[in-house]
Amino acid sequence: EPEVTQTPSHQVTQMGQEVILRCVPISNHLYFYWYRQILGQKVEFLVSFYNNEISEKSEIFDDQFSVERPDGSNFTLKIRSTKLEDSAMYFCAEKGGLGGYTFGSGTRLTVV
Amino acid sequence: AQKVTQAQTEISVVEKEDVTLDCVYETRDTTYYLFWYKQPPSGELVFLIRRNSFDEQNEISGRYSWNFQKSTSSFNFTITASQVVDSAVYFCALSEGRNAGNMLTFGGGTRLMVKP
Repeated sequence: EPEVTQTPSHQVTQMGQEVILRCVPISNHLYFYWYRQILGQKVEFLVSFYNNEISEKSEIFDDQFSVERPDGSNFTLKIRSTKLEDSAMYFCAEKGGLGGYTFGSGTRLTVV
Repeated sequence: AQKVTQAQTEISVVEKEDVTLDCVYETRDTTYYLFWYKQPPSGELVFLIRRNSFDEQNEISGRYSWNFQKSTSSFNFTITASQVVDSAVYFCALSEGRNAGNMLTFGGGTRLMVKP
């Protein structure tokens, strides 16, 4: 089964720094998503992306977050100025034609 | 608004016992999809099943079975003859509506510990 690849698997950054999380999607999928999971808590929706623009976003996805698909392949989540509470596991997900959601293996972000 | 509730935060069983994980959902849509995901200690989310709102047939896959009941808005998951490798956090999730791109709303998860 095709996999969704996320890089890096773990990133440690200092508070206030910018981070970019990357996702390499399965080529023929149309819908892309970012979710996050604070340690020990549930998985929360951040944003959905379709046809190179945001289609839906949650309250968590404020001005410090942005997404793009710069080269038509990689799908990125940028956090402009990280805060301690941004520490979480971030999952990229895609939705294929049959309606299934495929999740990447996640990036664990630690803000110190 | 959509909501998923997994009332059991943690369950502990001994190997070979059967265990049922409960999931109750809320939605105003008549078209929706329900999912179960497994999150092992390694952290990834592993897809287990997807069910649409028009298909109330129960499903069995090996030791796993799912009971979907629209009358009680529940989509429960049973593991028969549990094994230590089943130890994980299990999430129930809901995707609402006919729009293909709708996001998933997750429940809070149930941590299952299977002891040898």
